[in-house]
Amino acid sequence: GAVVSQHPSWVICKSGTSVKIECRSLDFQATTMFWYRQFPKQSLMLMATSNEGSKATYEQGVEKDKFLINHASLTLSTLTVTSAHPEDSSFYICSARDSQGLAREQYFGPGTRLTVT
Amino acid sequence: GEDVEQSLFLSVREGDSSVINCTYTDSSSTYLYWYKQEPGAGLQLLTYIFSNMDMKQDQRLTVLLNKKDKHLSLRIADTQTGDSAIYFCADYGQNFVFGPGTRLSVLP
Repeated sequence: GAVVSQHPSWVICKSGTSVKIECRSLDFQATTMFWYRQFPKQSLMLMATSNEGSKATYEQGVEKDKFLINHASLTLSTLTVTSAHPEDSSFYICSARDSQGLAREQYFGPGTRLTVT
Repeated sequence: GEDVEQSLFLSVREGDSSVINCTYTDSSSTYLYWYKQEPGAGLQLLTYIFSNMDMKQDQRLTVLLNKKDKHLSLRIADTQTGDSAIYFCADYGQNFVFGPGTRLSVLP
């Protein structure tokens, strides 16, 4: 089956530093990937849609200069949280849409837990 | 924007059936999904139903869809302690929209 991995699975960083999270589709190509954020005991909120070779589309209220997204290949998208602050602590989940599949088929990664101290 | 609602908590005894309910507002939803999330983990797709179907059964899981009322339910038969998790309803129109999640607690 389609597998999406995320790295790292958890990270602790100091306030003011930047953190990069990778999302990889392991056995399929994904022209489109999605980044979600989940606060404790809350649902997933779509942050941005990442398209291979073009700029990401950010949801309203998401700062594009703070959450940098790069989708340089058909199997990798990265989310960089710049100048992280404690309020950025959250669970970040990516999903990938199979380029050869249907638009409704998205596969989710296991998530990355970010803690900013 | 589109909205998906769920009750936040459900407790059942082991062996009983669990029914988790969900309502949505998107008239253009084509598929509706149920995901399971265990503590500290990502999302696991349990099942999904096409919007022109009324029911789908998959082993212990039964999904009922009332498209007129925009109501979706997930029934878990013979609920086990391993079913304790958060269950998310999601609808797919143009993008995925997730409900707040229902925390299912299974009591021994």
